[in-house]
Amino acid sequence: QQQVKQSPQSLIVQKGGISIINCAYENTAFDYFPWYQQFPGKGPALLIAIRPDVSEKKEGRFTISFNKSAKQFSLHIMDSQPGDSATYFCAASIRGFGNEKLTFGTGTRLTIIP
Amino acid sequence: ETGVTQSPTHLIKTRGQQVTLRCSSQSGHNTVSWYQQALGQGPQFIFQYYREEENGRGNFPPRFSGLQFPNYSSELNVNALELDDSALYLCASRPGTSGGRGGELFFGEGSRLTVL
Repeated sequence: QQQVKQSPQSLIVQKGGISIINCAYENTAFDYFPWYQQFPGKGPALLIAIRPDVSEKKEGRFTISFNKSAKQFSLHIMDSQPGDSATYFCAASIRGFGNEKLTFGTGTRLTIIP
Repeated sequence: ETGVTQSPTHLIKTRGQQVTLRCSSQSGHNTVSWYQQALGQGPQFIFQYYREEENGRGNFPPRFSGLQFPNYSSELNVNALELDDSALYLCASRPGTSGGRGGELFFGEGSRLTVL
């Protein structure tokens, strides 16, 4: 059972444009929603994260929008740059327990073209 | 640099063999977890160790086992390798309080296993 669904699978955006990646979750017990960035040959790195008590979190050019009633959250990358070209994963976990396993989406390969 | 190093970076095994993958975490990171990332997929949680004891497991069979050592190193062992075990295996660690909660998860660059 895929608990976190991510779309699109791939995305091409022009330099300076806005990149938008969407995720939907099923388990209402999830209370932590991070986004990870992964470059080829590297492990995932935490980009930004949000808890369900806020609807938006912004860090520099990266913004998470969160809709608790719809069980959806999205990543917006403003002024997208070629260096943002990577694979992005949304994830979710339940932080109330000691075992904080992350459930990942299937990933979005983002390509920023000049 | 995440401070998490994994070895080997690449290895090839044949079906039925056994493999041991190693991970070294930052000092003070007493929670370590392992993930399997198949090609084109997101990482999947295998298990987590906190202070040398397994405290969580994903949907993986018992032939996947692990160890965590007091020196912040850990191992993932896979017995009776199957073709579907071919994947990138990621180690991740975090500084943990009680039960391993809290703190950012830092991933290593992974060990790419190919099973022929």
